[in-house]
Amino acid sequence: AQSVAQPEDQVNVAEGNPLTVKCTYSVSGNPYLFWYVQYPNRGLQFLLKYITGDNLVKGSYGFEAEFNKSQTSFHLKKPSALVSDSALYFCAVRVLTGTASKLTFGTGTRLQVTL
Amino acid sequence: GAVVSQHPSRVICKSGTSVKIECRSLDFQATTMFWYRQFPKQSLMLMATSNEGSKATYEQGVEKDKFLINHASLTLSTLTVTSAHPEDSSFYICSASLGSGLAVQDTQYFGPGTRLTVL
Repeated sequence: AQSVAQPEDQVNVAEGNPLTVKCTYSVSGNPYLFWYVQYPNRGLQFLLKYITGDNLVKGSYGFEAEFNKSQTSFHLKKPSALVSDSALYFCAVRVLTGTASKLTFGTGTRLQVTL
Repeated sequence: GAVVSQHPSRVICKSGTSVKIECRSLDFQATTMFWYRQFPKQSLMLMATSNEGSKATYEQGVEKDKFLINHASLTLSTLTVTSAHPEDSSFYICSASLGSGLAVQDTQYFGPGTRLTVL
């Protein structure tokens, strides 16, 4: 079975500092990895995905993520955090199972960026 | 592009009534849509996969007679919570894909969610 782990419930960062939100995965086949962000009482917004190719993936709002196969990780990063980045971040993995594929989400990490 | 809407955004109903939630893909056609449920401070749990023109595929443990899904067109899927009870209170989110929705590389785009409160 596929699974995603986000070991930190919350990450606190000062504005202007770099941020990292951690994600590790466990799948039996090739992983297809996604990051989403959720603002209060809103649905999820797509940030970026890793399908194949370069391990460093660049996404929306200045976010990027690095796929590390040996460490089975897909950490989300941003060089300089903004207060407006404060939100709930979900890592997700998708694996083909038969004729369908499903997204499995991590438990989420709340990012708090302060002045 | 790739905008998904949901209606209503918030609904409060009495126990025993039925509630219908609509999910629309505004600028693309979606063969497949997905319905999720999110409890406070928890992750999203897939409830069912909605296929246009055919029956929905429900995840294990989800009552298909309780959560009726209809996907009558390529831009609209509806979730009806029948005979709602307080334990059905939750945040319901739908999503749709640009592709078939079943390929691993397809990106899912999510609606803004519907908060259901059953009194």
